[in-house]
Amino acid sequence: DAKTTQPPSMDCAEGRAANLPCNHSTISGNEYVYWYRQIHSQGPQYIIHGLKNNETNEMASLIITEDRKSSTLILPHATLRDTAVYYCIAGAFGNEKLTFGTGTRLTIIP
Amino acid sequence: DAGVIQSPRHEVTEMGQEVTLRCKPISGHNSLFWYRQTMMRGLELLIYFNNNVPIDDSGMPEDRFSAKMPNASFSTLKIQPSEPRDSAVYFCASSYRGRGHTEAFFGQGTRLTVV
Repeated sequence: DAKTTQPPSMDCAEGRAANLPCNHSTISGNEYVYWYRQIHSQGPQYIIHGLKNNETNEMASLIITEDRKSSTLILPHATLRDTAVYYCIAGAFGNEKLTFGTGTRLTIIP
Repeated sequence: DAGVIQSPRHEVTEMGQEVTLRCKPISGHNSLFWYRQTMMRGLELLIYFNNNVPIDDSGMPEDRFSAKMPNASFSTLKIQPSEPRDSAVYFCASSYRGRGHTEAFFGQGTRLTVV
């Protein structure tokens, strides 16, 4: 799996959009970008995944650059419940082994 | 479905004792994973099963750790003998390995403290 790099921490004001970057410059053509988050004391939770097109679901949007070397997870209207550690993972489609890095600790400020 | 169910939620044991962690995956899922999380090492994959067969146990730290999946609805992770450095939160996750994307669902974890 390609290595991913994320900032260790970020703050965002409640109600604003939270933009979480991820660098995956060595990603290969068959690797998807997956995002999970872990709220304190809970197990990780799947958010979204994508290959090269932008994706949106009820939780978030995923923007992947044209060269696929980086991506941004967008939480459009952050709430206090979005405070969590967010993990960006690159993995081959159907590869079940999720290799978690250190993630970004996102704090939503009231 | 109630999701992935792990038991116990908390376990405190003395060094040298045997510890057994249990997991019930989501019904219909055919892959099961055991992870360990510590402050120092983050989330580490220990072992995963597909159709009850261990596929990759390269993350199992040493022979004191063993995992079984006797059927599609139950798995155990055993540590014998336990040591203080085994203290961590252990997560079980399950997914459906088919032709599509495999979203993993995690349990609430078992917090193990070895004293």
